[in-house]
Amino acid sequence: GAVVSQHPSRVICKSGTSVKIECRSLDFQATTMFWYRQFPKQSLMLMATSNEGSKATYEQGVEKDKFLINHASLTLSTLTVTSAHPEDSSFYICSARGTSGGSNEQFFGPGTRLTVL
Amino acid sequence: RKEVEQDPGPFNVPEGATVAFNCTYSNSASQSFFWYRQDCRKEPKLLMSVYSSGNEDGRFTAQLNRASQYISLLIRDSKLSDSATYLCVAPRRGAAGNKLTFGGGTRVLVKP
Repeated sequence: GAVVSQHPSRVICKSGTSVKIECRSLDFQATTMFWYRQFPKQSLMLMATSNEGSKATYEQGVEKDKFLINHASLTLSTLTVTSAHPEDSSFYICSARGTSGGSNEQFFGPGTRLTVL
Repeated sequence: RKEVEQDPGPFNVPEGATVAFNCTYSNSASQSFFWYRQDCRKEPKLLMSVYSSGNEDGRFTAQLNRASQYISLLIRDSKLSDSATYLCVAPRRGAAGNKLTFGGGTRVLVKP
């Protein structure tokens, strides 16, 4: 089956620093990747849609200058949380949609738990 | 009204019992849905798709009621390993293709 990896799985950083999270599709090419955020006891909220070779599409209320997304290849998308603050502490999950198969099918990465001190 | 709403639970279920719960959706144009399972501190994993004809996979049965705009998930012969949060998911159209809207999840606790 399709495998998506994320790195790092866990990161703790100081307030004001930037953190980069990588999302890779390991055995398939992903034209579209999605970035979600999940706060404790809440559901996944879509932050942005990342398309290879073009700018990401952000959901309403998500600051594009704070959450920088780069999708430079068909197997890699990165999310950079710039000038992170404690309220950015969350579980960040990416998913990838392949170039074939159902248009609704997404494969999820294992998530990155960010803690900002 | 939220696009997808779920009873957060928890549903405390004796091992071996049957449990069922619903999810309501607001977009009457939605054609298909998904149930995902999420374990604590893990990513969601696809459990099953739900189409108009319903879907059954082993002990799990999902049904869609278009008239009342809800989908249901029924788990028979509950196992301890069924303890998880079950997320109801509806696709919605976006500029770059379909996106997924997640419900808040229903927590199920199966106890011996």
